[in-house]
Amino acid sequence: EPEVTQTPSHQVTQMGQEVILRCVPISNHLYFYWYRQILGQKVEFLVSFYNNEISEKSEIFDDQFSVERPDGSNFTLKIRSTKLEDSAMYFCASRGTVGYTFGSGTRLTVV
Amino acid sequence: QQQVKQSPQSLIVQKGGIPIINCAYENTAFDYFPWYQQFPGKGPALLIAIRPDVSEKKEGRFTISFNKSAKQFSLHIMDSQPGDSATYFCAVNSGNTPLVFGKGTRLSVIA
Repeated sequence: EPEVTQTPSHQVTQMGQEVILRCVPISNHLYFYWYRQILGQKVEFLVSFYNNEISEKSEIFDDQFSVERPDGSNFTLKIRSTKLEDSAMYFCASRGTVGYTFGSGTRLTVV
Repeated sequence: QQQVKQSPQSLIVQKGGIPIINCAYENTAFDYFPWYQQFPGKGPALLIAIRPDVSEKKEGRFTISFNKSAKQFSLHIMDSQPGDSATYFCAVNSGNTPLVFGKGTRLSVIA
């Protein structure tokens, strides 16, 4: 069964550092998403990406965040200057005809 | 403003019982109502989904009941097993808008 792959599974970074979270969506999907989940809380939408551009973003997705699809297969989320409150699980998802498929997530810990 | 309200927050049932998790929404434009199952350290996995043209959908031990007039939908798990212990999220969207998740229900099935 096709799956969404995310790397790394766990990233620890110092406050103020830049991090890049990577995702390989399912190959024939056209819509890509980043969500985050603070420990024990609900899954929150960050950004959607279609046709090589952002189609929608939430108020969480401020100027510190960016996404790109650099090579037609990878889909990345960059946080320029991490804050303590960015600590969360970050999930990538892609959407096909049967709905969204989520990756296993990257646990980001900002210290 | 919460777009979808999920209850209860947590639920404990005995093996073989039928846990029921409920979600309510406000926006009548929503036309896709999935349920996701999440195990610790994993991403949400699509369990079952319904469109508003039917009132019930069953897949194995999982059933969605949908009440369009009341703007509510619920998940029933028949003959629940300890392996069903997980967090369950309802979600809503319409067209190409991003999925919006409920706050989740932590289910524990005890033997």
